[in-house]
Parts: sequence; C-alpha cells; structure tokens
Amino acid sequence: RKEVEQDPGPFNVPEGATVAFNCTYSNSASQSFFWYRQDCRKEPKLLMSVYSSGNEDGRFTAQLNRASQYISLLIRDSKLSDSATYLCVVTQSGSQGNLIFGKGTKLSVKP
Amino acid sequence: EPEVTQTPSHQVTQMGQEVILRCVPISNHLYFYWYRQILGQKVEFLVSFYNNEISEKSEIFDDQFSVERPDGSNFTLKIRSTKLEDSAMYFCASSRDRVPAFFGQGTRLTVV
Repeated sequence: RKEVEQDPGPFNVPEGATVAFNCTYSNSASQSFFWYRQDCRKEPKLLMSVYSSGNEDGRFTAQLNRASQYISLLIRDSKLSDSATYLCVVTQSGSQGNLIFGKGTKLSVKP
Repeated sequence: EPEVTQTPSHQVTQMGQEVILRCVPISNHLYFYWYRQILGQKVEFLVSFYNNEISEKSEIFDDQFSVERPDGSNFTLKIRSTKLEDSAMYFCASSRDRVPAFFGQGTRLTVV
C-alpha cells in the first residue's frame, strides 16, 4: 500500500472553476501535513500547511481528517497560473522532517 | 526572499564517475535535506542532516552516497560511482524548524 495516495488526474478545468484534490495517507502516526505545488521540471514549492481545524489562504482551503487519514485541498476561482502539479506531503512522528510525497495531481486551467 | 541555491543546474557524467552536487541552504536554517525525483516519478527522500551529522536516511542512500557540510554555508551530496539509474533531478532543501522544508531549483543529473 502506497504511503500517500492522490487522485491520479489530470484535472482540466476552465478559469473560474472550483476544483478539489483528495489525498489519503497510510500511516496513522503521520504528524505534519502539507500541500506543495510543482511546476513542470521545477522544484516543489510549499503552498500551505494543513491543520485539523482546517485552514484557508485566499482562494485555497485545506482540510485534514485524522480519523479517516484524509487530506483535501480546494481551489476556488481557479486562475491560469494555478496550472501545476499539486503534491500531498506528510511527515512521520519522530522523523527528522523526512517529507513523504504523493505522486501528485496535475491541474490544467484553461481560458 | 531568501532561497536555497543549487549548482550546477545540469550535470552530465559517465557511468562510474563521481559527482558532487552543491547547495547553499537558507542562512538561518538548521536542517538540511537531499531529495531526488526520477522523471515522471514522485519526490523521494534521501537524507537529512542536522548539527553536522546525518539524522535520518532512506534505503536509497546507500554507501555510494555521502553528504558533507564543508563550511558554514555549503552542503554537498557526493555520488561515488554513478549508475544509469542515478539519473534524476536532485533537490536540496532546508528548514529552520524541521518542517516545512524549502527547496532549491534542483540539479538535473544525467548519467550516460
């Protein structure tokens, strides 16, 4: 069983659409949770941390459900510049910051 | 905005040769990492480094890999005898408080 699983994508949406990404993780001892975005052939860039209470940053909302071991990311009013691969990332309890990445979900926002 | 910088951006090497990938982490960060991403695959953890020693490593990080912080600013990854399957993008990352990590632009290593 993969440690971090994501929707395979790709998601092709028009500008202005709302799009949701899902992620599940297998290790219940996972401690910290993040969404990164990665543009083609570029480095992963931190988008936001994910907290149990849910958190919002502008058009982006992240949710964590520890009981279901499920993480989500919602993008509202999507822009062309949101086109990228979105990576679900977790760390394990006791690790030294070892990030465990999902394979990512590719988003393409069209005019 | 401070950033992690990596050199070179692209390295081509013959199989069996040694390569050194270089990184300058963000200056007040304390934790340093190397990750790799084979084309089309997920980002994979290699090693973490804290307080001048390796704090964690994955099974990928075998005896052919080593890391060093030779001075106060540089952080290097050495691959002793490269194999074709070492071809990948190698990302250096650093963090102030263990997480989250901030990544450099990467070095694309091509082994021929």
